[in-house]
Amino acid sequence: AQSVTQLGSHVSVSEGALVLLRCNYSSSVPPYLFWYVQYPNQGLQLLLKYTSAATLVKGINGFEAEFKKSETSFHLTKPSAHMSDAAEYFCAVSPSGNTPLVFGKGTRLSVIA
Amino acid sequence: GAVVSQHPSWVICKSGTSVKIECRSLDFQATTMFWYRQFPKQSLMLMATSNEGSKATYEQGVEKDKFLINHASLTLSTLTVTSAHPEDSSFYICSARDQTYEQYFGPGTRLTVT
Repeated sequence: AQSVTQLGSHVSVSEGALVLLRCNYSSSVPPYLFWYVQYPNQGLQLLLKYTSAATLVKGINGFEAEFKKSETSFHLTKPSAHMSDAAEYFCAVSPSGNTPLVFGKGTRLSVIA
Repeated sequence: GAVVSQHPSWVICKSGTSVKIECRSLDFQATTMFWYRQFPKQSLMLMATSNEGSKATYEQGVEKDKFLINHASLTLSTLTVTSAHPEDSSFYICSARDQTYEQYFGPGTRLTVT
């Protein structure tokens, strides 16, 4: 069965600092991996996804993530945090394109001025 | 990009009544839609997979007679919470999958049962 572990339920960074949100996955087959962002009382917005092409994936709003098979990781990064990045971030895995997503518990990102 | 809408965005109902939530794909056809439930400060839990023209597939532990799902067209799926109780209060989110298997999420529906 697939599973996702997000290390750190809450991450706080200063504005302009590096953002690093950690995600490790467990999958019996090469997975599809996703990062979503959720603002309060809203649905999920796709930041980026990995579908077995390039291991470094660039997404929206300056975010990127690197798929590392040896570490079973798919950490999300952004070089410089902005106040508008404060939100809940979810990592998700799917064993193939046509199966439901399995979500991690989420990481709340706070950005301090 | 593809847009998924949900209606209503929030609803308050009395215990014992039923509530229907609609999920629509506005600019694409979705043979498959998913219904998730999210408790405060928690992750999304898949409730069921809704396939157009067939019965929904429910996840283990989800009562199919309580959470009725209908996917009557390629752009509409509905979730009806029957005989709602306070413990059903939650944030319900749907997603719709297009032909490329991309999933697009709705904005969610906040249900409060008093």
